Amino acid sequence: EDKVVQSPLSLVVHEGDTVTLNCSYEVTNFRSLLWYKQEKKAPTFLFMLTSSGIEKKSGRLSSILDKKELFSILNITATQTGDSAVYLCAVEAGYNFNKFYFGSGTKLNVKP
Amino acid sequence: KAGVTQTPRYLIKTRGQQVTLSCSPISGHRSVSWYQQTPGQGLQFLFEYFSETQRNKGNFPGRFSGRQFSNSRSEMNVSTLELGDSALYLCASSLAPGLGGTGELFFGEGSRLTVL
Repeated sequence: EDKVVQSPLSLVVHEGDTVTLNCSYEVTNFRSLLWYKQEKKAPTFLFMLTSSGIEKKSGRLSSILDKKELFSILNITATQTGDSAVYLCAVEAGYNFNKFYFGSGTKLNVKP
Repeated sequence: KAGVTQTPRYLIKTRGQQVTLSCSPISGHRSVSWYQQTPGQGLQFLFEYFSETQRNKGNFPGRFSGRQFSNSRSEMNVSTLELGDSALYLCASSLAPGLGGTGELFFGEGSRLTVL
């Protein structure tokens, strides 16, 4: 059965801390891995990863994929209260495009 | 460019009723997917439509159905509602890589269904 597992389920940190969120997967015919941020509304896109070992960066956020060990990490440095959200990992897999398996998310709470 | 639009945003139904939710994708996007989000299960894939054809389907009972129109707008229907169907239903559209897109999903704000 295809599955995506995120850890930790929740995390509380203080502003300025660095956090690492994990996403592991077991799927058939992996196509891509995506990270999303969800506050109180629609998930918003952060990164798409398709190749192992190539870091994607956007400001204080970065992510990398390991296709051999079947996992990805999302790093957030110098966290701010605005980073508080649920971070979702999604894996596109299967023999057709656009079938995504989501993890249950990591709820990040950044305290001032 | 307008985003993904879902209607209605909130609705309350009783057990046994049926509901229809609507999704208008971003202009030019031909793929529309539907997800159910609950606190316990996270986001679960319902189905995906491309050019009016269901291309992918998740593991949901036959009470959950959908369709896509020629203008790419999509509807999903849930019949004989159960309490467990209470959830946020998210629609996402995407532009396939082969058509100049990146393959990422663009989500609407969802339709929150409460079944009493």
